[in-house]
Amino acid sequence: GAVVSQHPSRVICKSGTSVKIECRSLDFQATTMFWYRQFPKQSLMLMATSNEGSKATYEQGVEKDKFLINHASLTLSTLTVTSAHPEDSSFYICSALQYRGAEAFFGQGTRLTVV
Amino acid sequence: RKEVEQDPGPFNVPEGATVAFNCTYSNSASQSFFWYRQDCRKEPKLLMSVYSSGNEDGRFTAQLNRASQYISLLIRDSKLSDSATYLCALSGNTPLVFGKGTRLSVIA
Repeated sequence: GAVVSQHPSRVICKSGTSVKIECRSLDFQATTMFWYRQFPKQSLMLMATSNEGSKATYEQGVEKDKFLINHASLTLSTLTVTSAHPEDSSFYICSALQYRGAEAFFGQGTRLTVV
Repeated sequence: RKEVEQDPGPFNVPEGATVAFNCTYSNSASQSFFWYRQDCRKEPKLLMSVYSSGNEDGRFTAQLNRASQYISLLIRDSKLSDSATYLCALSGNTPLVFGKGTRLSVIA
């Protein structure tokens, strides 16, 4: 299957700082990538859809100024959590589609802890 | 009705047992259906796609019932290594939407 690499896998940061998470499709071009957040014992919740070369589409309730998404190339999307707070501590996962309607390939996820 | 609903479990079953999970969905326009497996603190990994005619992969059988809007996953001869959370997912004119997952514990 296709490979999606997400980095870092784990990060601890102080309140008020910003954290950037990278998501790369290693062996295919992904025009669309998705960013999810998962709290303990909860489902994956879609945060935003990232389209190469255009602005991301955010789900209701997700602050676009707090969660900055950049999809500058067909193989890289980044999520920046700005001015992080402890309540932003979560498991963030990206996924990418090879083509519409196909299975989604996931990155390894990033466990963010804000202290 | 929630977009995707799953019984959270946990399902505690002995080794060798057969266990089945259901997942109901509300969007009748959904076109693609999947079962994912997620281990603790890991990313979801595709277990199998679900086709209209039903499909089988070893000990795993997936079925789709469009009329009643649910998909199912059957695991036969459960192994200890099957312990995980099983997420159903579907897509159509929207990005992939996940259920909350059903936790399975296979006990020796």
